[in-house]
Amino acid sequence: GQNIDQPTEMTATEGAIVQINCTYQTSGFNGLFWYQQHAGEAPTFLSYNVLDGLEEKGRFSSFLSRSKGYSYLLLKELQMKDSASYLCAVRADRDDKIIFGKGTRLHILP
Amino acid sequence: DAGVTQSPTHLIKTRGQQVTLRCSPISGHKSVSWYQQVLGQGPQFIFQYYEKEERGRGNFPDRFSARQFPNYSSELNVNALLLGDSALYLCASRGGTEAFFGQGTRLTVV
Repeated sequence: GQNIDQPTEMTATEGAIVQINCTYQTSGFNGLFWYQQHAGEAPTFLSYNVLDGLEEKGRFSSFLSRSKGYSYLLLKELQMKDSASYLCAVRADRDDKIIFGKGTRLHILP
Repeated sequence: DAGVTQSPTHLIKTRGQQVTLRCSPISGHKSVSWYQQVLGQGPQFIFQYYEKEERGRGNFPDRFSARQFPNYSSELNVNALLLGDSALYLCASRGGTEAFFGQGTRLTVV
């Protein structure tokens, strides 16, 4: 079957760093996405990894290890606006069927 | 450039009724996918269309159907609505690697 696991909730302090982990077991692999979703809004694209390693984009970085079925999203210099759900998602095949995890709700404390 | 647009933004229907949701992809994008997101969960894949052909279907009953038009816009139809169909319905379009989501249609079945 297809399974994506990520923590349900995390809490961090403004200005700090937080790492959100994601593990996946899918029938195939054709890329891993991270999306941010604020309450009541649509997901917005953060990152895409298809090869092993770290992709850095401003305050956000994403890491992938295909052999371990593991990824993480690293958020630096946290801001209050980063309070949101973060969705890990895998494209298992070459079509657009993207399998989403349940999301990690991140709370930022002042 | 306009992003992915969905209509309507909100909808209230009665059990047993039928509903049609609409999506216009980003200009130049030929792939449209539909997702259902219930509260507290990640989006679940319903359909993918590419060049007017169905390329993928998720684990949803036959009450759910979709189509794509020559201009690449798409409609999602749901017949015989159930209370459990209440959710945020998201449309995503893809032209390359990234999948961009529309704001969604929030369907409430009463």
